[in-house]
Amino acid sequence: DAGITQSPRHKVTETGTPVTLRCHQTENHRYMYWYRQDPGHGLRLIHYSYGVKDTDKGEVSDGYSVSRSKTEDFLLTLESATSSQTSVYFCAISPDNNEQFFGPGTRLTVL
Amino acid sequence: AQTVTQSQPEMSVQEAETVTLSCTYDTSESNYYLFWYKQPPSRQMILVIRQEAYKQQNATENRFSVNFQKAAKSFSLKISDSQLGDTAMYFCAFMKPKFTSGTYKYIFGTGTRLKVLA
Repeated sequence: DAGITQSPRHKVTETGTPVTLRCHQTENHRYMYWYRQDPGHGLRLIHYSYGVKDTDKGEVSDGYSVSRSKTEDFLLTLESATSSQTSVYFCAISPDNNEQFFGPGTRLTVL
Repeated sequence: AQTVTQSQPEMSVQEAETVTLSCTYDTSESNYYLFWYKQPPSRQMILVIRQEAYKQQNATENRFSVNFQKAAKSFSLKISDSQLGDTAMYFCAFMKPKFTSGTYKYIFGTGTRLKVLA
């Protein structure tokens, strides 16, 4: 299995609070991605990174920001969480912008 | 824009039988990749099989094989000798090799929940 972890694995928070999810890899892969998974939608790309400090928006980026200051860490931040951001969040990594390897997921509940 | 459609929300199959999950996609690209991912109750996303669009030969991985029909834009997954451990959600995914401005690379279908019955 690819060395990829996500923290926290579960989080419950209140509307309006900031939340940061962390993705950590030990594979030294260049590409990292954040997805959200919701019933009836499959996985949808939020943001991705193609190198340290190089990030871009995906399909559903509104309300989210990301940062990548080191190769191994990719942070996803919800500046002010809303109930519509209740979801399961997956991080993925890729060595060559091709096949992706997924982390275990983070279940976020916004009350 | 590319789309991926999985028209079977749920399916079931008897253990040891064969089942086929369907996936269709829409694209104007000629060079792309297709994937099937498995998501068991543990939620881990596991790559099952991949197919390069330029290859005419259908990909096979042990009990898993695909029927790739490029002209029809169809990419079905066949699971032979189904096992209880195959019970999972299965996602079809489309990917093109390079990012272009304002687009994204991986597009997933909405999934098919497969239950293998003892």
